[in-house]
Amino acid sequence: EAGVAQSPRYKIIEKRQSVAFWCNPISGHATLYWYQQILGQGPKLLIQFQNNGVVDDSQLPKDRFSAERLKGVDSTLKIQPAKLEDSAVYLCASSNQRLPGQGAGNEQYFGPGTRLTVT
Amino acid sequence: GENVEQHPSTLSVQEGDSAVIKCTYSDSASNYFPWYKQELGKGPQLIIDIRSNVGEKKDQRIAVTLNKTAKHFSLHITETQPEDSAVYFCAASPMNTGFQKLVFGTGTRLLVSP
Repeated sequence: EAGVAQSPRYKIIEKRQSVAFWCNPISGHATLYWYQQILGQGPKLLIQFQNNGVVDDSQLPKDRFSAERLKGVDSTLKIQPAKLEDSAVYLCASSNQRLPGQGAGNEQYFGPGTRLTVT
Repeated sequence: GENVEQHPSTLSVQEGDSAVIKCTYSDSASNYFPWYKQELGKGPQLIIDIRSNVGEKKDQRIAVTLNKTAKHFSLHITETQPEDSAVYFCAASPMNTGFQKLVFGTGTRLLVSP
């Protein structure tokens, strides 16, 4: 099966500009995640969708970051305006969990990521 | 919230040796512990996982052990090969409003020398 697709792979912008990232999850996966991975660190969850609803956005800097998954399939993450500290790899992941409490774990599959450099 | 610590940050071994990476977690409600391998320029790839009702799991050269009482889990790689060189991340999953959420460790850079 096809994996998680992300675009673009690389983006360089100046601070205060805006940028958008796109993610298409594995077909049929109901849960979609956006992570931020700063160089030398583990991924940090920004937002989690179940179908087109938000499950968790507690670590999303909502003054500048926004995300949507309007039709419950692909998703867009936007940053406006960007800051220098937003330089990172933005990873999208998906899993097949459909119901709360379903199983003790549902494997998350990651895309290749978008490397953002803010100058 | 959940906090995951991972050690060591770097690990260098000779080809054929074993490598062990250790993680501790803080939330006793966490019940799922995956391990990911990340190669340069790629997204993390799931290599093995373990659920809280199991103490050990093995898949060829890779094994994971879990000690729920001590709240720590470890990744064991035997007969290491140069292609095992990558960054490895552990993660723990507290249930978030009933949906799985992963909290990652800081990563271990494994270098296997021929």
